[in-house]
Amino acid sequence: ETGVTQSPTHLIKTRGQQVTLRCSSQSGHNTVSWYQQALGQGPQFIFQYYREEENGRGNFPPRFSGLQFPNYSSELNVNALELDDSALYLCASSLRGGANTGELFFGEGSRLTVL
Amino acid sequence: AQRVTQPEKLLSVFKGAPVELKCNYSYSGSPELFWYVQYSRQRLQLLLRHISRESIKGFTADLNKGETSFHLKKPFAQEEDSAMYYCALVNQAGTALIFGKGTTLSVSS
Repeated sequence: ETGVTQSPTHLIKTRGQQVTLRCSSQSGHNTVSWYQQALGQGPQFIFQYYREEENGRGNFPPRFSGLQFPNYSSELNVNALELDDSALYLCASSLRGGANTGELFFGEGSRLTVL
Repeated sequence: AQRVTQPEKLLSVFKGAPVELKCNYSYSGSPELFWYVQYSRQRLQLLLRHISRESIKGFTADLNKGETSFHLKKPFAQEEDSAMYYCALVNQAGTALIFGKGTTLSVSS
């Protein structure tokens, strides 16, 4: 069984640039969620994708956008990067609904530094 | 408002001592609560969920609706329990987990 994989693991961008982070979900999982984890904080929900559509969104501006592909992999795009976007971005996959609600399988994260 | 509060940033105990990691929540209705753990150099993973009422690695957590708490307990801490622990709550829409800020547990011999 393949776990959640994310790429890249680390990247450095400058303010105003755009970034794309990628995630492959765990085998058999149809739902992908993205979280932002700032230093010293718990993960904060950005959005969730199910069947290639956004299925829920946290308190993040529209410059945070995403995609889910037919194979359930996903991308997180952030435009017009700001210094405060520096964080660890976590992808998590799950089976939507039922007894698995709340059981997320996390990747190791992509650490973004914005200079 | 939906919120999870973990009041302790760091909890240091000696091996063999009891452990209690505190978690309080704010939620309308019946909450679904979880504890997640992150060991050094490992990814965040589910430890236990209140629905299952299970004991994992000797840890238990009881939902107390009166006190709106879901504290994580272990009677005898082991060094391998040292990790970051997050309490989490499923949001009202059922689409996301709301995490606390986490508590670092340090167990020394």
